[in-house]
Amino acid sequence: QQPVQSPQAVILREGEDAVINCSSSKALYSVHWYRQKHGEAPVFLMILLKGGEQKGHEKISASFNEKKQQSSLYLTASQLSYSGTYFCGTGGLRSNTGKLIFGQGTTLQVKP
Amino acid sequence: EPEVTQTPSHQVTQMGQEVILRCVPISNHLYFYWYRQILGQKVEFLVSFYNNEISEKSEIFDDQFSVERPDGSNFTLKIRSTKLEDSAMYFCASSRGQNSNQPQHFGDGTRLSIL
Repeated sequence: QQPVQSPQAVILREGEDAVINCSSSKALYSVHWYRQKHGEAPVFLMILLKGGEQKGHEKISASFNEKKQQSSLYLTASQLSYSGTYFCGTGGLRSNTGKLIFGQGTTLQVKP
Repeated sequence: EPEVTQTPSHQVTQMGQEVILRCVPISNHLYFYWYRQILGQKVEFLVSFYNNEISEKSEIFDDQFSVERPDGSNFTLKIRSTKLEDSAMYFCASSRGQNSNQPQHFGDGTRLSIL
Protein backbone atom coordinates (compact mmCIF):
# COMPACT_ATOMS: atom_id res chain seq x y z
CA GLN A 1 0.00 0.00 0.00
CA GLN A 2 1.49 3.28 -1.16
CA PRO A 3 2.00 5.92 1.55
CA VAL A 4 0.16 9.17 0.98
CA GLN A 5 2.04 12.44 1.11
CA SER A 6 0.54 15.85 1.77
CA PRO A 7 0.56 18.46 0.53
CA GLN A 8 1.25 17.66 -3.12
CA ALA A 9 3.03 20.95 -3.66
CA VAL A 10 4.33 23.84 -1.59
CA ILE A 11 5.62 27.24 -2.63
CA LEU A 12 7.64 29.15 -0.06
CA ARG A 13 9.67 32.30 0.25
CA GLU A 14 13.22 31.93 1.48
CA GLY A 15 13.25 31.74 5.27
CA GLU A 16 9.76 30.30 5.62
CA ASP A 17 8.95 26.93 7.17
CA ALA A 18 7.18 23.91 5.72
CA VAL A 19 5.87 20.57 6.91
CA ILE A 20 5.45 17.54 4.67
CA ASN A 21 3.44 14.59 5.91
CA CYS A 22 3.62 10.93 4.98
CA SER A 23 0.81 8.60 6.09
CA SER A 24 0.39 4.89 5.72
CA SER A 25 -2.57 2.58 6.20
CA LYS A 26 -0.19 -0.25 7.12
CA ALA A 27 1.98 -0.64 10.20
CA LEU A 28 5.35 0.93 9.64
CA TYR A 29 8.80 -0.15 10.68
CA SER A 30 10.72 2.66 9.08
CA VAL A 31 10.29 5.81 7.05
CA HIS A 32 13.01 7.05 4.71
CA TRP A 33 13.04 10.61 3.42
CA TYR A 34 14.66 11.57 0.12
CA ARG A 35 14.96 14.77 -1.86
CA GLN A 36 15.13 14.66 -5.64
CA LYS A 37 16.03 17.59 -7.84
CA HIS A 38 14.82 17.63 -11.42
CA GLY A 39 16.71 15.13 -13.55
CA GLU A 40 18.81 13.87 -10.66
CA ALA A 41 18.87 10.86 -8.33
CA PRO A 42 16.98 10.83 -5.04
CA VAL A 43 19.32 11.91 -2.25
CA PHE A 44 18.96 10.25 1.13
CA LEU A 45 18.05 12.64 3.95
CA MET A 46 17.24 10.48 6.97
CA ILE A 47 15.58 7.35 8.33
CA LEU A 48 13.05 7.29 11.10
CA LEU A 49 12.49 4.02 12.90
CA LYS A 50 9.45 2.97 14.90
CA GLY A 51 9.57 4.31 18.41
CA GLY A 52 8.44 7.84 17.71
CA GLU A 53 11.92 9.25 17.37
CA GLN A 54 12.80 12.59 15.91
CA LYS A 55 15.88 13.31 13.88
CA GLY A 56 17.57 16.40 12.59
CA HIS A 57 19.72 17.17 9.57
CA GLU A 58 20.86 20.79 9.37
CA LYS A 59 17.57 22.70 9.37
CA ILE A 60 15.61 19.69 8.25
CA SER A 61 14.16 17.37 10.86
CA ALA A 62 11.56 14.66 10.96
CA SER A 63 9.35 12.78 13.38
CA PHE A 64 7.74 9.36 13.30
CA ASN A 65 4.44 8.76 15.04
CA GLU A 66 4.07 5.00 15.15
CA LYS A 67 0.57 5.14 16.56
CA LYS A 68 -0.68 7.36 13.75
CA GLN A 69 1.46 5.52 11.21
CA GLN A 70 2.69 8.87 10.04
CA SER A 71 5.95 10.70 9.58
CA SER A 72 6.42 14.43 9.17
CA LEU A 73 9.35 16.27 7.62
CA TYR A 74 10.03 19.76 8.93
CA LEU A 75 11.95 22.29 6.89
CA THR A 76 12.78 25.43 8.82
CA ALA A 77 14.12 28.72 7.51
CA SER A 78 14.03 27.29 4.00
CA GLN A 79 16.81 28.00 1.53
CA LEU A 80 16.72 28.07 -2.25
CA SER A 81 18.65 24.78 -2.24
CA TYR A 82 15.72 23.06 -0.53
CA SER A 83 13.71 23.18 -3.74
CA GLY A 84 12.94 19.78 -5.18
CA THR A 85 10.57 16.86 -4.77
CA TYR A 86 10.49 15.13 -1.41
CA PHE A 87 9.63 11.46 -1.25
CA CYS A 88 8.95 9.31 1.74
CA GLY A 89 9.68 5.61 1.41
CA THR A 90 8.21 3.18 3.87
CA GLY A 91 9.50 -0.15 5.07
CA GLY A 92 7.03 -2.61 6.54
CA LEU A 93 7.33 -4.47 9.82
CA ARG A 94 8.23 -7.73 8.19
CA SER A 95 10.38 -6.33 5.43
CA ASN A 96 13.76 -7.98 5.56
CA THR A 97 14.46 -7.38 1.91
CA GLY A 98 14.95 -3.62 2.02
CA LYS A 99 11.97 -3.00 -0.22
CA LEU A 100 10.77 0.58 0.06
CA ILE A 101 7.40 1.78 -1.10
CA PHE A 102 7.49 5.44 -2.03
CA GLY A 103 4.81 8.08 -1.81
CA GLN A 104 3.84 10.15 -4.79
CA GLY A 105 6.12 13.01 -3.75
CA THR A 106 5.73 16.60 -2.56
CA THR A 107 7.14 19.30 -4.78
CA LEU A 108 8.71 22.16 -2.84
CA GLN A 109 9.61 25.41 -4.53
CA VAL A 110 11.51 28.03 -2.58
CA LYS A 111 11.49 31.49 -4.09
CA PRO A 112 13.85 34.37 -3.26
CA GLU B 1 32.39 10.04 -0.53
CA PRO B 2 31.70 6.66 -2.18
CA GLU B 3 28.79 6.61 -4.59
CA VAL B 4 26.73 4.30 -6.76
CA THR B 5 27.59 4.68 -10.44
CA GLN B 6 25.35 3.77 -13.35
CA THR B 7 26.01 3.42 -17.05
CA PRO B 8 24.92 4.49 -19.53
CA SER B 9 23.30 7.72 -18.46
CA HIS B 10 20.91 7.55 -21.43
CA GLN B 11 19.98 4.54 -23.54
CA VAL B 12 17.84 4.73 -26.65
CA THR B 13 16.58 1.41 -27.99
CA GLN B 14 14.13 0.15 -30.56
CA MET B 15 11.07 -1.63 -29.24
CA GLY B 16 11.64 -5.36 -29.02
CA GLN B 17 15.37 -5.09 -28.43
CA GLU B 18 17.18 -6.15 -25.28
CA VAL B 19 18.96 -3.68 -23.03
CA ILE B 20 21.38 -4.11 -20.17
CA LEU B 21 21.68 -1.40 -17.57
CA ARG B 22 24.81 -1.42 -15.46
CA CYS B 23 25.49 -0.37 -11.91
CA VAL B 24 28.52 -0.37 -9.65
CA PRO B 25 27.27 -0.30 -6.05
CA ILE B 26 29.23 1.19 -3.16
CA SER B 27 32.08 -1.20 -2.47
CA ASN B 28 31.26 -2.32 1.08
CA HIS B 29 27.54 -2.63 0.43
CA LEU B 30 26.04 -6.07 0.13
CA TYR B 31 22.44 -5.34 -0.80
CA PHE B 32 21.38 -4.02 -4.15
CA TYR B 33 18.18 -2.70 -5.62
CA TRP B 34 16.63 -1.52 -8.84
CA TYR B 35 13.90 1.09 -8.89
CA ARG B 36 12.05 2.67 -11.77
CA GLN B 37 10.60 6.14 -12.17
CA ILE B 38 8.33 6.96 -15.06
CA LEU B 39 8.58 10.66 -15.96
CA GLY B 40 6.81 12.82 -13.40
CA GLN B 41 5.74 9.89 -11.25
CA LYS B 42 6.89 8.25 -8.05
CA VAL B 43 9.81 5.92 -7.58
CA GLU B 44 8.74 2.26 -7.86
CA PHE B 45 10.53 -0.74 -6.40
CA LEU B 46 11.53 -3.42 -8.90
CA VAL B 47 13.82 -5.88 -7.14
CA SER B 48 16.20 -6.41 -4.24
CA PHE B 49 19.23 -8.68 -4.47
CA TYR B 50 21.60 -10.24 -1.97
CA ASN B 51 24.14 -13.03 -2.04
CA ASN B 52 23.52 -13.65 -5.73
CA GLU B 53 19.83 -14.16 -5.22
CA ILE B 54 16.71 -12.10 -5.61
CA SER B 55 15.34 -11.26 -2.15
CA GLU B 56 12.11 -9.74 -3.32
CA LYS B 57 10.60 -8.54 -6.57
CA SER B 58 7.58 -6.47 -7.41
CA GLU B 59 4.75 -7.35 -9.77
CA ILE B 60 6.42 -5.11 -12.35
CA PHE B 61 9.46 -7.38 -12.35
CA ASP B 62 8.09 -10.13 -14.59
CA ASP B 63 9.86 -12.61 -16.87
CA GLN B 64 10.96 -9.77 -19.10
CA PHE B 65 13.40 -8.61 -16.42
CA SER B 66 16.44 -10.25 -14.89
CA VAL B 67 19.29 -9.17 -12.63
CA GLU B 68 22.78 -10.44 -12.30
CA ARG B 69 26.00 -9.78 -10.46
CA PRO B 70 28.41 -11.01 -13.12
CA ASP B 71 31.55 -10.15 -11.16
CA GLY B 72 32.57 -8.63 -7.83
CA SER B 73 31.62 -5.10 -8.69
CA ASN B 74 28.86 -4.86 -11.30
CA PHE B 75 25.13 -5.31 -10.82
CA THR B 76 23.07 -5.43 -13.99
CA LEU B 77 19.42 -5.19 -14.98
CA LYS B 78 18.48 -6.85 -18.25
CA ILE B 79 15.23 -6.04 -19.99
CA ARG B 80 14.31 -8.40 -22.81
CA SER B 81 12.00 -7.55 -25.67
CA THR B 82 11.52 -3.96 -24.57
CA LYS B 83 8.14 -2.25 -24.79
CA LEU B 84 7.24 1.40 -25.14
CA GLU B 85 6.02 1.45 -21.54
CA ASP B 86 9.48 0.43 -20.32
CA SER B 87 10.61 3.99 -21.02
CA ALA B 88 11.58 5.40 -17.65
CA MET B 89 14.46 6.38 -15.42
CA TYR B 90 16.03 3.31 -13.82
CA PHE B 91 17.84 3.79 -10.54
CA CYS B 92 20.21 1.39 -8.89
CA ALA B 93 20.66 1.63 -5.14
CA SER B 94 22.75 -0.16 -2.55
CA SER B 95 22.85 -0.48 1.21
CA ARG B 96 25.03 -2.09 3.85
CA GLY B 97 22.20 -3.97 5.46
CA GLN B 98 19.09 -5.58 4.16
CA ASN B 99 16.53 -4.45 6.62
CA SER B 100 14.54 -1.36 5.87
CA ASN B 101 16.35 0.43 8.70
CA GLN B 102 19.38 0.86 6.47
CA PRO B 103 19.78 3.89 4.18
CA GLN B 104 19.77 3.17 0.48
CA HIS B 105 22.06 5.24 -1.70
CA PHE B 106 20.93 5.86 -5.24
CA GLY B 107 22.92 6.21 -8.43
CA ASP B 108 22.24 9.00 -10.92
CA GLY B 109 20.08 6.69 -12.99
CA THR B 110 19.84 5.54 -16.59
CA ARG B 111 17.22 7.20 -18.73
CA LEU B 112 15.80 4.48 -20.98
CA SER B 113 13.93 5.61 -24.07
CA ILE B 114 12.14 2.98 -26.15
CA LEU B 115 11.25 4.02 -29.69
